[in-house]
Amino acid sequence: EAGVAQSPRYKIIEKRQSVAFWCNPISGHATLYWYQQILGQGPKLLIQFQNNGVVDDSQLPKDRFSAERLKGVDSTLKIQPAKLEDSAVYLCASSPGTGDFHEQYFGPGTRLTVT
Amino acid sequence: QQQVKQSPQSLIVQKGGIPIINCAYENTAFDYFPWYQQFPGKGPALLIAIRPDVSEKKEGRFTISFNKSAKQFSLHIMDSQPGDSATYFCAARISGGYNKLIFGAGTRLAVHP
Repeated sequence: EAGVAQSPRYKIIEKRQSVAFWCNPISGHATLYWYQQILGQGPKLLIQFQNNGVVDDSQLPKDRFSAERLKGVDSTLKIQPAKLEDSAVYLCASSPGTGDFHEQYFGPGTRLTVT
Repeated sequence: QQQVKQSPQSLIVQKGGIPIINCAYENTAFDYFPWYQQFPGKGPALLIAIRPDVSEKKEGRFTISFNKSAKQFSLHIMDSQPGDSATYFCAARISGGYNKLIFGAGTRLAVHP
């Protein structure tokens, strides 16, 4: 089965510019996650969708970050305006659902560099 | 405090050695403890996971040991190989939530031939 797809793989922007990342989860997976992974740290959950709805966005900097999941499938994460500290790898993951432990399958990530 | 502390930050072993990576937590509201493996340029991939009512779990050369009273768990890699060189993350799932994971900071493992 195809894995989680993300694009672009790399992006370099200047501070105060905007940027968007795209994620296509594994077919049939109800839950989609966006993580931020700063160099040398573990992934940190930014936002989690269950189908179309947001179930956790407690660590999303809502003044500059936004995300949507259209029709419960693809998702986009946007940063506007970007700051230097947003330089990180943005990982998208998906899982079949909730309840008992559901493995999260990660995409390859988008490496963002803000200059 | 929803935090998972992981050590060491980096680890070097010779081929055939048994690297051990340790994690500790304070919050008791965790109900699943997975380990993820990440190669450069790739996303993390699930390696092995354990529930807190189990003290040990083995899958191939990978073993998780879990000490519920000490709130600690560890990953052992038996007969380590150069192909095991990667970054390893422990994680903990918040119980009663939506499969939300809290990750440790990671351990970069290098296995020398």
